[in-house]
Amino acid sequence: GQQLNQSPQSMFIQEGEDVSMNCTSSSIFNTWLWYKQDPGEGPVLLIALYKAGELTSNGRLTAQFGITRKDSFLNISASIPSDVGIYFCAGQADAGNNRKLIWGLGTSLAVNP
Amino acid sequence: EPEVTQTPSHQVTQMGQEVILRCVPISNHLYFYWYRQILGQKVEFLVSFYNNEISEKSEIFDDQFSVERPDGSNFTLKIRSTKLEDSAMYFCASSEWEGRVFFGPGTRLTVL
Repeated sequence: GQQLNQSPQSMFIQEGEDVSMNCTSSSIFNTWLWYKQDPGEGPVLLIALYKAGELTSNGRLTAQFGITRKDSFLNISASIPSDVGIYFCAGQADAGNNRKLIWGLGTSLAVNP
Repeated sequence: EPEVTQTPSHQVTQMGQEVILRCVPISNHLYFYWYRQILGQKVEFLVSFYNNEISEKSEIFDDQFSVERPDGSNFTLKIRSTKLEDSAMYFCASSEWEGRVFFGPGTRLTVL
């Protein structure tokens, strides 16, 4: 089945530093989504990417849809303490009415104030 | 801003009992999903639902699971005879035509 490799698994950074994480897939996706999840809560959608090569920003967050359609990265600039949480990538193959998401294992981010 | 809601937030049940988890997707969305997340693990797909029928289900979604959209607003997940390994966070999600999938806050199911 489809697999997503997300790295790094965890990061511990100083406030103000930039962060970069990425996901790679063994197969092509038509949509890449990036979510943030706080403990005990549901995933919150950060950025959605629909086209190969697309670069999209949401405040301090920037994400790109890889040209090969098999990878995506998420950057966070000038990190702040509230950026702490687990970040997940998710890919959607979008075959007909099947819109299920394939998930990465997550990147746990800790920010030292 | 419209959001997906779920009830209850926490459900405790005895092994072998039936549970029904309830969700109200975003009103103009067409695709509905259930996902689950065992503590500390990644989110796993259970089932997708479109046009009043299941469009895909995973291996996890066996005969003990069922979904229903009983009216124009609710979307439910039923587990007929719960097992200990069903303990997890269950997330309902919905989406429009494009790929943005929005998740509810989850129901924490604890099977004793």
